[in-house]
Amino acid sequence: SQKIEQNSEALNIQEGKTATLTCNYTNYSPAYLQWYRQDPGRGPVFLLLIRENEKEKRKERLKVTFDTTLKQSLFHITASQPADSATYLCALDMKDDSWGKLQFGAGTQVVVTP
Amino acid sequence: SAVISQKPSRDICQRGTSLTIQCQVDSQVTMMFWYRQQPGQSLTLIATANQGSEATYESGFVIDKFPISRPNLTFSTLTVSNMSPEDSSIYLCSVFGGEEQYFGPGTRLTVT
Repeated sequence: SQKIEQNSEALNIQEGKTATLTCNYTNYSPAYLQWYRQDPGRGPVFLLLIRENEKEKRKERLKVTFDTTLKQSLFHITASQPADSATYLCALDMKDDSWGKLQFGAGTQVVVTP
Repeated sequence: SAVISQKPSRDICQRGTSLTIQCQVDSQVTMMFWYRQQPGQSLTLIATANQGSEATYESGFVIDKFPISRPNLTFSTLTVSNMSPEDSSIYLCSVFGGEEQYFGPGTRLTVT
C-alpha cells in the first residue's frame, strides 16, 4: 500500500523567511496531490491541489512543486507570518474513480516567530 | 464553494452506547466522505456515502460499527456504534467540489 511521509519534527522559522515542507510517497503514482492547513481543534482547510502533469503551482505566498520521478512534493510559504503557524498536511488521491478519497500524511507543524 | 456543518460539535459518551453525527452541506453533492482523526494522528477515510446506495467502506471499517445514511444530496449521518475508548476521535465529513475539497468543522467524540 502507499505510504506518505512528512517531516514529523516541527519547523521553527523566523517571520519573513521561507518555510519549506516535504511530502514523500512510495508505492504509488497519484493523479493529484493536495496540501491542507489545520489549526488545533479545527477541520483541515484546503490550500492547493496539483495534478500529476503539473510541475508547480502558486497561490499568493504559497508554492507547491510536484516531482513524480522523485515521488515528492515541496510546499513553500514565502514571507512567512506568525499567522501561518499551523500544521500542514499533504494528501494523495486513493487511485479511485472518485475524486475526494484521500490518504493523508501525518502533517508537519510550522511555528513562525516574530 | 461548499459550506459544511456538523452536529454535534462535541460529545462525551459512555462505553457501549452509540452516537449519530449529522453532516449538512449547503449545496447538492454526489458523494460525501467521512474521515476520522484519532488523537495526534492524521486523517483516515472511513467511508464514501453516495445518495441512493449503500456506503463504501475502507479497509478496517465495517458497516455494523459505522452505519451511514445518505437520504438526499445535502445530508448524511455517521453512527459510531457500541463505542469504546478507542473510538475517541474527531469525525469529519467532506465533499469534493471542482478543484477543492471541503471539510466540516468536525465532531470531537470522547468515550469514557
